[in-house]
Amino acid sequence: GAGVSQSPSNKVTEKGKDVELRCDPISGHTALYWYRQSLGQGLEFLIYFQGNSAPDKSGLPSDRFSAERTGGSVSTLTIQRTQQEDSAVYLCASSLSGQATGELFFGEGSRLTVL
Amino acid sequence: GENVEQHPSTLSVQEGDSAVIKCTYSDSASNYFPWYKQELGKGPQLIIDIRSNVGEKKDQRIAVTLNKTAKHFSLHITETQPEDSAVYFCAPSGRYNDMRFGAGTRLTVKP
Repeated sequence: GAGVSQSPSNKVTEKGKDVELRCDPISGHTALYWYRQSLGQGLEFLIYFQGNSAPDKSGLPSDRFSAERTGGSVSTLTIQRTQQEDSAVYLCASSLSGQATGELFFGEGSRLTVL
Repeated sequence: GENVEQHPSTLSVQEGDSAVIKCTYSDSASNYFPWYKQELGKGPQLIIDIRSNVGEKKDQRIAVTLNKTAKHFSLHITETQPEDSAVYFCAPSGRYNDMRFGAGTRLTVKP
């Protein structure tokens, strides 16, 4: 498909384990965002990638969270030593224009449950 | 980053009535004002946006109005239908790299 693809769609893990969430943006989109959405809550900004520039990591809640974007395309969000409060839906979005002045196209999210 | 407030947090209307959601922001340099709709189990989707050189924009039953002086913009939905039931988010932006979203408004349209 031509949309933003996220995997896995659901992940159940035990407290203390590491998890990796993947995002495949729309081809040609230079900007990529990760957000976290807890149940019934709004979108919490985590990290932003724009082309080959250094990412804006200002939203990452702790040093257990990290993200990479390889070759300006696919991105992986890694959560180390997961905690129960990490349970949420992790949404990825891509944008053609970047600079936060254009439409964001969202994936359907990865639902993480930490037991 | 931008400080964003959205009101009301929940809104219930009768089918056919109008709904208005307001978004207040802090950064006077913001120049892009979108509204997103999120249906259950899906990611948000852009429904309408406006840029700072325009005061109002309409697209069929939805409209967005902007008051840059007061730093707020609003989403207007007329002739509401049950399929309009969703969570709506504003995300004013322009100066900063990140795009900060409001806390969301859960709209319920009762048939």
